[in-house]
Amino acid sequence: ELKVEQNPLFLSMQEGKNYTIYCNYSTTSDRLYWYRQDPGKSLESLFVLLSNGAVKQEGRLMASLDTKARLSTLHITAAVHDLSATYFCAVFGGNTPLVFGKGTRLSVIA
Amino acid sequence: GAVVSQHPSWVICKSGTSVKIECRSLDFQATTMFWYRQFPKQSLMLMATSNEGSKATYEQGVEKDKFLINHASLTLSTLTVTSAHPEDSSFYICSARGSLLLYEQYFGPGTRLTVT
Repeated sequence: ELKVEQNPLFLSMQEGKNYTIYCNYSTTSDRLYWYRQDPGKSLESLFVLLSNGAVKQEGRLMASLDTKARLSTLHITAAVHDLSATYFCAVFGGNTPLVFGKGTRLSVIA
Repeated sequence: GAVVSQHPSWVICKSGTSVKIECRSLDFQATTMFWYRQFPKQSLMLMATSNEGSKATYEQGVEKDKFLINHASLTLSTLTVTSAHPEDSSFYICSARGSLLLYEQYFGPGTRLTVT
């Protein structure tokens, strides 16, 4: 059974600081997704990582994937308040639905 | 990108009544649709998977007689919450996967259900 673990689950960070969210998964997969969710909203797709060593960047967010370590990271650079949201990683286990981590609730404070 | 819509976006119903939520793929044929439930400050929990024309496959612990799923066409799936109770109040999100892009799941905007 595919399991996805995220940490930390809660993150309060100051504006301008950097931080990393980690996503570990339990079985082989070469597709990993990062989503953002704002309160009361559905999921917004941020990144799809398709292969080992994949790195994608959008603005202050950068995601990477290490399939050998079964680890993905979402790095936040110079955080701003607008990044406050819940971030989910999700892993595709073959022909199964996406399996989600528990999410990381990020709060960026002045 | 592919678009998935849900209707209604929010609904309030009384205990004991039933409510139907629709999920549509607007610009692609969804061979598989997924229904998720999300309680406040929690992750998405998969309720069931449905393939067009087949019976839905429910996850362990999800009552199939309470949460009726119909995937009658390649663009429409419905979730009916029967005899709703306050504990069914939640955010329901559908997701769809097409035949051409098997590894992509597209998410609907969600339906907020409140049972009073």
